[in-house]
Amino acid sequence: AQKVTQAQTEISVVEKEDVTLDCVYETRDTTYYLFWYKQPPSGELVFLIRRNSFDEQNEISGRYSWNFQKSTSSFNFTITASQVVDSAVYFCALSEAGNTDKLIFGTGTRLQVFP
Amino acid sequence: ETGVTQTPRHLVMGMTNKKSLKCEQHLGHNAMYWYKQSAKKPLELMFVYNFKEQTENNSVPSRFSPECPNSSHLFLHLHTLQPEDSALYLCASSQRDRNTGELFFGEGSRLTVL
Repeated sequence: AQKVTQAQTEISVVEKEDVTLDCVYETRDTTYYLFWYKQPPSGELVFLIRRNSFDEQNEISGRYSWNFQKSTSSFNFTITASQVVDSAVYFCALSEAGNTDKLIFGTGTRLQVFP
Repeated sequence: ETGVTQTPRHLVMGMTNKKSLKCEQHLGHNAMYWYKQSAKKPLELMFVYNFKEQTENNSVPSRFSPECPNSSHLFLHLHTLQPEDSALYLCASSQRDRNTGELFFGEGSRLTVL
């Protein structure tokens, strides 16, 4: 069965601190996708990244970076020099490569960035 | 205009009421979804529609009845709900043939069942 675990329920940091959000997944599929979504207070989830299971290269996008490690079934998300606007709930998700209709989400990590 | 619009944003209903949630997407996508978000639980996929046809019903109780009259509109009809159905109901859309898994979400309809 597929499962996504985000053990950190809430994280609080002060602006400019770096913060890492953990994501551990379980799947028996050999090909799959991993995702991160951001849910700001307005409610809508916003897509941040998709990673194919074949591609273990780390990705950097501005202040955001992602560390995918198949050996530990983890797909962690780091925000460098956090800002107040980063305050949101962040969800990690998993899907089969052939069935992206069914995203399996974690319970989310609430990040609060204080000025 | 935002890509995916949901109405109403907030709804309070009694257990015997009948109400509907509406979702409209302006992105030209061909797949639409209903998700349920309850406190401290993962988002739960409820229904998937591809080209107006329902392709996924994730064991959702019959008191939730979806309707997809066209690729741009999705409804969730609610009747005889229970208090545990109180949650944020999120609509999403995607362009299915791209198979990217990238969903575009609305801001949700927060439902309270008394």
